[in-house]
Amino acid sequence: SQKIEQNSEALNIQEGKTATLTCNYTNYSPAYLQWYRQDPGRGPVFLLLIRENEKEKRKERLKVTFDTTLKQSLFHITASQPADSATYLCALERGGSYIPTFGRGTSLIVHP
Amino acid sequence: EAQVTQNPRYLITVTGKKLTVTCSQNMNHEYMSWYRQDPGLGLRQIYYSMNVEVTDKGDVPEGYKVSRKEKRNFPLILESPSPNQTSLYFCASSSAQGMETQYFGPGTRLLVL
Repeated sequence: SQKIEQNSEALNIQEGKTATLTCNYTNYSPAYLQWYRQDPGRGPVFLLLIRENEKEKRKERLKVTFDTTLKQSLFHITASQPADSATYLCALERGGSYIPTFGRGTSLIVHP
Repeated sequence: EAQVTQNPRYLITVTGKKLTVTCSQNMNHEYMSWYRQDPGLGLRQIYYSMNVEVTDKGDVPEGYKVSRKEKRNFPLILESPSPNQTSLYFCASSSAQGMETQYFGPGTRLLVL
């Protein structure tokens, strides 16, 4: 079965720096990979989706890369702010399965 | 406002007492699903529904039932709850055209004693 690995240790960075979070997966290559943000006690919020034939996607201060050879996605937040502090989840799904696999998430803490 | 609502938000119950967690969405979405989130395990899908009267098992369906009689509602039923079903539950929905983008509800925290 598909496994997703996200760094379980919290990432602490200083405000204004770029945060980079990693999502590694095993087995099959997904049709697409998603990133979500989750705040304590709340439901995940969709941020970005990148498809298997795309290398990079951007949205405002967010950038996602997808390397199917390395089986890895990187999620970048540039000019980070304390308000970006949250847990970030990656999820992937083989096309047509309708059953996504979520990583455990990485906690990001941005210090002022 | 487009949203997914769940009720109740918090629930404490005892082993074996049937309960239902409701989920409703106002976006006319075809696809709805239920997840549970446990520390160290991440989100795992319980059941999903592609449309009215169409449901299927996710990764962890044991001990749960669902129904989809109306497009907007997708209740999660625990016929005989057990302590290992203590968890944080999320309902989610998405449109048929944009199934990859799921909108999640606020969550229901369930404690089974």
